Amino acid sequence: EAGVVQSPRYKIIEKKQPVAFWCNPISGHNTLYWYLQNLGQGPELLIRYENEEAVDDSQLPKDRFSAERLKGVDSTLKIQPAELGDSAVYLCASSSGGLGTQYFGPGTRLLVL
Amino acid sequence: QKEVEQNSGPLSVPEGAIASLNCTYSDRGSQSFFWYRQYSGKSPELIMSIYSNGDKEDGRFTAQLNKASQYVSLLIRDSQPSDSATYLCAAGVGGYQKVTFGTGTKLQVIP
Repeated sequence: EAGVVQSPRYKIIEKKQPVAFWCNPISGHNTLYWYLQNLGQGPELLIRYENEEAVDDSQLPKDRFSAERLKGVDSTLKIQPAELGDSAVYLCASSSGGLGTQYFGPGTRLLVL
Repeated sequence: QKEVEQNSGPLSVPEGAIASLNCTYSDRGSQSFFWYRQYSGKSPELIMSIYSNGDKEDGRFTAQLNKASQYVSLLIRDSQPSDSATYLCAAGVGGYQKVTFGTGTKLQVIP
């Protein structure tokens, strides 16, 4: 069974530029999460989807961040414009059912210069 | 107060010893608890999940949950250098799907 797929794995951009990250969850997993992880910190939830619906986006900085999961499968997270403080690892995870066990993708390392 | 708290470490133990990692949580509505291992530069991977009070054993790993004290722990027996990583504690609420992570404890197993 394929795991959570993310791309790109690394991204370097200049501040004020846009950037997008893509995630394909494990087949059959209806819950998808986007997290931000800074060095030395635990993952912090940005947004959680149940199928196509964003059920928890309270921590998403909506002035610059947006996300979509149009068909309830893969998802895209966008930042526009990027700021220096956005440099971090962006993790996607998915889960199935009600037990909350999440499986993480490899992450996208973003560096904003 | 953070919802899930862990000592950042590093926790250093000699090879073959028992490593004890601790975590406290603030939300009494938390119903599911997880331990993830994260190697440097890698993403978290699930080690254990626990949902009821008591101990749960899986190989060299034992998770312990005490809901009255809002305390979760992970014991690693016969620690190996390959166990050196950051261990993330997480607590789930709201039908198990909303999960909050701690900042992690760095474990170093000394050969």
